[in-house]
This record gives sequence, C-alpha cells and structure tokens, in this order.
Amino acid sequence: NAGVTQTPKFQVLKTGQSMTLQCAQDMNHEYMSWYRQDPGMGLRLIHYSVGAGITDQGEVPNGYNVSRSTTEDFPLRLLSAAPSQTSVYFCASSTRTGGSYEQYFGPGTRLTVT
Amino acid sequence: AQSVTQLGSHVSVSEGALVLLRCNYSSSVPPYLFWYVQYPNQGLQLLLKYTSAATLVKGINGFEAEFKKSETSFHLTKPSAHMSDAAEYFCAVSDSTGGYNKLIFGAGTRLAVHP
Repeated sequence: NAGVTQTPKFQVLKTGQSMTLQCAQDMNHEYMSWYRQDPGMGLRLIHYSVGAGITDQGEVPNGYNVSRSTTEDFPLRLLSAAPSQTSVYFCASSTRTGGSYEQYFGPGTRLTVT
Repeated sequence: AQSVTQLGSHVSVSEGALVLLRCNYSSSVPPYLFWYVQYPNQGLQLLLKYTSAATLVKGINGFEAEFKKSETSFHLTKPSAHMSDAAEYFCAVSDSTGGYNKLIFGAGTRLAVHP
C-alpha cells in the first residue's frame, strides 16, 4: 500500500495563476480531507468528502474547489492563487476504526505564491 | 464548538529528561482525542489516540497520554527524551457536527532535544 500520495511536493505560483494539487489513496477509505498548515495555527480544514460525488466546505474554503469523482482521488483546485494561499497543504483519508475515525496523512505539498 | 489548546509553542528538554507536552480541549460530548507527530518536511503520523476505553493511552516510540475529564486535559509524556524525538507535536479532538468526523487541531508544540 502506498497510503496517501500527493503531487507535487513543491510548487511556486504567480498571483492569479491556477493549479490543481493531486491527492490519491489506495486504502479504499470513504472519507478524504484537505488541510492547510500555517505557522502557529496548526492544521485547518479546507474541504472534505464523505464519498464519491459528495463534498463539503471546511473551516477555510474560500479560493479552493474540490471534486470527488472516484473513491481514490480528491484533487484540490486553486482558482486564482493569492499570496495568502502560501502554505503547506495536506491531504488525509480516513475510515471508521473501532468506534473512532483515524486519519492518514499524505506527505504534503509546499506551495508558494509570489 | 470543539477546540484544542496546546500550552507552549516551543518546549526544550535535555536528552534523557522527561517530556511533557500539554493539551487541553473543550468538548460538549465525550471526545476522541489524538496526538500526532510531524518530523521536518514530512506529513503527520499518529502517535496515539483516546477512544474512551482506558484513560492512560500508550502510543508509539514510548509516548503515552492520560485523559483527565475533570481537567479536560490530554497531556503527552515520555519518561526519557531521545534526540530523535525532536519534532512538532499536534493534539487534536474529533468533531462530528455536520455529520462528518473532522479533526480540530491545536497550534502545535515544537519539541527540541539537546545533548
């Protein structure tokens, strides 16, 4: 099992550019999430999905879109990049295990917007 | 709404000393609580989790945490620090409002271990 994979590992964008961060999992987990990590703020939830075709907003969704056409993939789209979106982005997948949900994280994508 | 407070954004200990990382939570229902570790330039790895079974939870790498409902705390400890423990540690509480089991993270505590 590769677990949760993310591409690219690093990306530099200019303000106004768009791009898609890729996330895939091979554990057949029904739930997937995107977080951003900023210094001193922990991880904040951007969007999440409870299954193929079902997505919803998290705590900080503005400027991001998601879709979930398959169980395995959950791409995050930046529509028009802004410097405030400079961050490290983590994708996670989870399933119910013994009464709780345990999240498995990818290695992250470090994004810089200039 | 659930929230997590980690006291101390930076903690420094000597190798072999006790590690104590503090976490307090607020939750209106019995919570599920987690500690994650993040090594430099890596993703988050689960250290341990509390799911209402035993109040003292043992995790990987010699870490353990004790759930204290009266203090709304879930502090992480390790009896003897090792250089390889240097990392950032995150406490998280599960939040099921809205029908999805989200994680609410604390701001993190960076642990430094010096010889």
